[in-house]
Amino acid sequence: DAGVTQSPTHLIKTRGQQVTLRCSPKSGHDTVSWYQQALGQGPQFIFQYYEEEERQRGNFPDRFSGHQFPNYSSELNVNALLLGDSALYLCASSSWTATYYGYTFGSGTRLTVV
Amino acid sequence: GENVEQHPSTLSVQEGDSAVIKCTYSDSASNYFPWYKQELGKRPQLIIDIRSNVGEKKDQRIAVTLNKTAKHFSLHITETQPEDSAVYFCAAPSTVTSGTYKYIFGTGTRLKVLA
Repeated sequence: DAGVTQSPTHLIKTRGQQVTLRCSPKSGHDTVSWYQQALGQGPQFIFQYYEEEERQRGNFPDRFSGHQFPNYSSELNVNALLLGDSALYLCASSSWTATYYGYTFGSGTRLTVV
Repeated sequence: GENVEQHPSTLSVQEGDSAVIKCTYSDSASNYFPWYKQELGKRPQLIIDIRSNVGEKKDQRIAVTLNKTAKHFSLHITETQPEDSAVYFCAAPSTVTSGTYKYIFGTGTRLKVLA
């Protein structure tokens, strides 16, 4: 058990729809980072949340937004879905003071846009 | 800018042979380098890491070497077994704000160990 839980596991959406993905970090972790992993590619950084604020954002459009709750859990929202948004979305949790020493990844949400 | 290059993209070896995967990074401030193994349909899992104050680290059949001057690091797997077949990713940290980091990942190496 990785300790990081993501839901749902799989999701199929239609172009133009909106989707919300959820992540609960490992116990003791307070920082959540979201990554998009397209088929055959490495994970790409979307954004990172700490203290309910977005700390940095990768090269993703504003259609991608997020939120962190007081219990450190996080949501990733994607609006106006495109076929190219189909990917595995990974949540990684860490401690703000120890992020340097690696993430714990969740099992991911596989999003398919048709 | 931030960049991590990884080679090769695919690697096939006979069972029992060694495999080597290489990565280069651009951020000279990077001081910690993890390697992840991702099996089909599963999450990346940390298999070994190295910090900049050492040049090599071993854990049973896997080892990682680091050359900070050249800004490259490598994963070595000896006596490969079929269960080593997976995609391997290197990563390097890039500063988000003072005190925390995001990780930049390489593009991955698909390792196939042939029985």
